[in-house]
Amino acid sequence: AQSVSQHNHHVILSEAASLELGCNYSYGGTVNLFWYVQYPGQHLQLLLKYFSGDPLVKGIKGFEAEFIKSKFSFNLRKPSVQWSDTAEYFCAVKSSGSARQLTFGSGTQLTVLP
Amino acid sequence: NAGVTQTPKFRILKIGQSMTLQCAQDMNHNYMYWYRQDPGMGLKLIYYSVGAGITDKGEVPNGYNVSRSTTEDFPLRLELAAPSQTSVYFCASSQQQNYGYTFGSGTRLTVV
Repeated sequence: AQSVSQHNHHVILSEAASLELGCNYSYGGTVNLFWYVQYPGQHLQLLLKYFSGDPLVKGIKGFEAEFIKSKFSFNLRKPSVQWSDTAEYFCAVKSSGSARQLTFGSGTQLTVLP
Repeated sequence: NAGVTQTPKFRILKIGQSMTLQCAQDMNHNYMYWYRQDPGMGLKLIYYSVGAGITDKGEVPNGYNVSRSTTEDFPLRLELAAPSQTSVYFCASSQQQNYGYTFGSGTRLTVV
């Protein structure tokens, strides 16, 4: 069964700092990878996704993620965070072709200090 | 487009009561899902459906039931509410298997 690990449970940064959130998955086959964001009191929204091709994926709001197959990783990055980026971030994995589900990581709470 | 609509937004149940969480989508998506979200645990899949009339269990189905009589609706039923079912419930849909999901705004359920 596939699983997803997000090692940072809570990250606190000052505005303009750079961000990198780790995501590792366990599945040996082809995967689809996602990052979702959940702003306080809101539902999950898709930040970016990787299906195939260029392993560097650009998403909304200046976020990007890099798929490194050899490391089973899909880390989320942003060069300069803003106070409005305060939210919880979830990495999710889906084995390609599976009808079942997205498997989510436990989430990383990002707090950006003004 | 409304996307994925969940009702109610909040509910308090007593132990042993039953209720149905409603979920409707207007995007003609075949795939629909129910997740629960608990602090520090991420989202766990309860049930999913690949089309009208077809449902299957997810990772944590015990204590829940679903039905999918139409493409649009995917209600989640709690028959005998227990404190362990206190959670935030999210419904989601997707157009195809490998697409990202569209989530509803959630239902916060408390069982006392």
